[in-house]
Amino acid sequence: DSGVTQTPKHLITATGQRVTLRCSPRSGDLSVYWYQQSLDQGLQFLIQYYNGEERAKGNILERFSAQQFPDLHSELNLSSLELGDSALYFCASSGARELATTYEQYFGPGTRLTVT
Amino acid sequence: TQLLEQSPQFLSIQEGENLTVYCNSSSVFSSLQWYRQEPGEGPVLLVTVVTGGEVKKLKRLTFQFGDARKDSSLHITAAQPGDTGLYLCAGAEITWNYGGSQGNLIFGKGTKLSVKP
Repeated sequence: DSGVTQTPKHLITATGQRVTLRCSPRSGDLSVYWYQQSLDQGLQFLIQYYNGEERAKGNILERFSAQQFPDLHSELNLSSLELGDSALYFCASSGARELATTYEQYFGPGTRLTVT
Repeated sequence: TQLLEQSPQFLSIQEGENLTVYCNSSSVFSSLQWYRQEPGEGPVLLVTVVTGGEVKKLKRLTFQFGDARKDSSLHITAAQPGDTGLYLCAGAEITWNYGGSQGNLIFGKGTKLSVKP
């Protein structure tokens, strides 16, 4: 158990809909990362938050957004869903200490999103 | 953006065999991590290597970081069915500014290992 929790475990929805995925980082970790994993694309970095502020953006679509709340949990919002958005979505957390050189990340169990 | 290439993409072996998987880049990383992922679950951190030439052992798994910190290998001795999974390497990409450091992990696409009993 990594200490990172994600809900829900599974989500089935229709095209055009909007969903919210939730993540709670390990106790004490300030950074949260969101990843999308599909069969053909591997693990794709979407976005990072550090202590409530956006830190880095990866291959995140404009239809997707995220935020990190004062209690450090994070939500990933996916809107106008398309069939191609079906994937596993992972949240990871790290201590993200300043001047760190390793940036080890600890992953949650993921949310499997199926868009029909 | 730095890229990490992993090889082979797929590997199917019999229990008891040895194997090595590789992770290569043309760029230098400040550190490199190996993760193992089972189907439908999140990647689990196995090890972090930091120093060029570093070798770390975790039971039957041996991890090596290249001298130039551009590549890494994972060697498994006497593989077991429980070793089956997707092995991912990830390089830490660090940027420095007056406020400190900001880091991100660049992931390879992984090696899917299947160990048959």
